[in-house]
Amino acid sequence: AQKVTQAQTEISVVEKEDVTLDCVYETRDTTYYLFWYKQPPSGELVFLIRRNSFDEQNEISGRYSWNFQKSTSSFNFTITASQVVDSAVYFCALSETSGSRLTFGEGTQLTVNP
Amino acid sequence: NAGVTQTPKFQVLKTGQSMTLQCAQDMNHEYMSWYRQDPGMGLRLIHYSVGAGITDQGEVPNGYNVSRSTTEDFPLRLLSAAPSQTSVYFCASSYSTWNGYTFGSGTRLTVV
Repeated sequence: AQKVTQAQTEISVVEKEDVTLDCVYETRDTTYYLFWYKQPPSGELVFLIRRNSFDEQNEISGRYSWNFQKSTSSFNFTITASQVVDSAVYFCALSETSGSRLTFGEGTQLTVNP
Repeated sequence: NAGVTQTPKFQVLKTGQSMTLQCAQDMNHEYMSWYRQDPGMGLRLIHYSVGAGITDQGEVPNGYNVSRSTTEDFPLRLLSAAPSQTSVYFCASSYSTWNGYTFGSGTRLTVV
């Protein structure tokens, strides 16, 4: 069975600080897909990134970056120079090729204070 | 605009009542899913579908029924609502398992 763990329930930082959100996953598949979603206070779920298990290159998109390490089964998300608008719940999720479902972590509530 | 449409946005039910949460997508996605979100538990899969006429149970299917008669629609039925079903419900669709899912705006359901 697949599982996603986000050990950080809540994180609070001051604006302009860098922050890393941790994600650890478990799966028996050799091919799988990892995702990050953002849920702002308005409640919608916003897709941020997808990474497949064969691509371990780190990715950077503006202030966002993702570090995928198969050796430690981790897919961590870093926000550089955080802003108040980054305040949200962030979910890590896993999809195996054998199924048609996303398994979500419990989420990390990020609060960026001015 | 293309996307996933959920109705209603808010609903209050009395214990024992039944209702259907509607979900429609206009992106011709084969994969559709229903999740419920509860505090501290992330999103948990209720039921999913890989195409018209094909559905399967997810992690927490008890108390819910689904059907998929068309590619566009995937309604979720609560046959006899219970307070434990108080939650926020999200419908999602995707072109494939490896694509990111598009989520609806959610339905906040309260059962009293």
